[in-house]
Amino acid sequence: DAMVIQNPRYQVTQFGKPVTLSCSQTLNHNVMYWYQQKSSQAPKLLFHYYDKDFNNEADTPDNFQSRRPNTSFCFLDIRSPGLGDAAMYLCATSRAGLRDTQYFGPGTRLTVL
Amino acid sequence: GENVEQHPSTLSVQEGDSAVIKCTYSDSASNYFPWYKQELGKGPQLIIDIRSNVGEKKDQRIAVTLNKTAKHFSLHITETQPEDSAVYFCAASIRDTDKLIFGTGTRLQVFP
Repeated sequence: DAMVIQNPRYQVTQFGKPVTLSCSQTLNHNVMYWYQQKSSQAPKLLFHYYDKDFNNEADTPDNFQSRRPNTSFCFLDIRSPGLGDAAMYLCATSRAGLRDTQYFGPGTRLTVL
Repeated sequence: GENVEQHPSTLSVQEGDSAVIKCTYSDSASNYFPWYKQELGKGPQLIIDIRSNVGEKKDQRIAVTLNKTAKHFSLHITETQPEDSAVYFCAASIRDTDKLIFGTGTRLQVFP
């Protein structure tokens, strides 16, 4: 029973062509996170939502945007993907910040041609 | 800034042996320390976690120890099996935030 679902699992886009990645959760968790993970590296936090409050990391490029229309869904928009944006994108959720555990989805592997 | 160092970066063991992965954190206010296992092409999966009011926690073949004074914590896997082969990440909470900082990962290979 998947709790954090990411779609699609694999996404191919062209250089400069906007792309949207989707995350949904069945846990009713308050917090949702987006991470970028490049090969053999640790996940890097891009931003997170505590309910509707958006929190951007200082070094997240402007090229990356996010939307959370409701508790269950969160989207990652990459406005003009570059070759350097090819990575695994991971969504995670937690019930109430670090009073509880972060649960990760399976990730979306983004390829930029 | 906050930092988590993780060692070793790769670890190879024979099936049945034990494996130990160590992490050191910099922020004395960190109070939550999860360990994640990531298999190829998949998202990280929580395998065990510990909070700062506890020194050790066990779950079957997996244990985590925490030394707050020295600011380090370790993952211990006993009786390793080939299916334990994966990349393991430690993480530490960042004070006054809902965020984690991750270690650089350890690739564990268990040979039959």
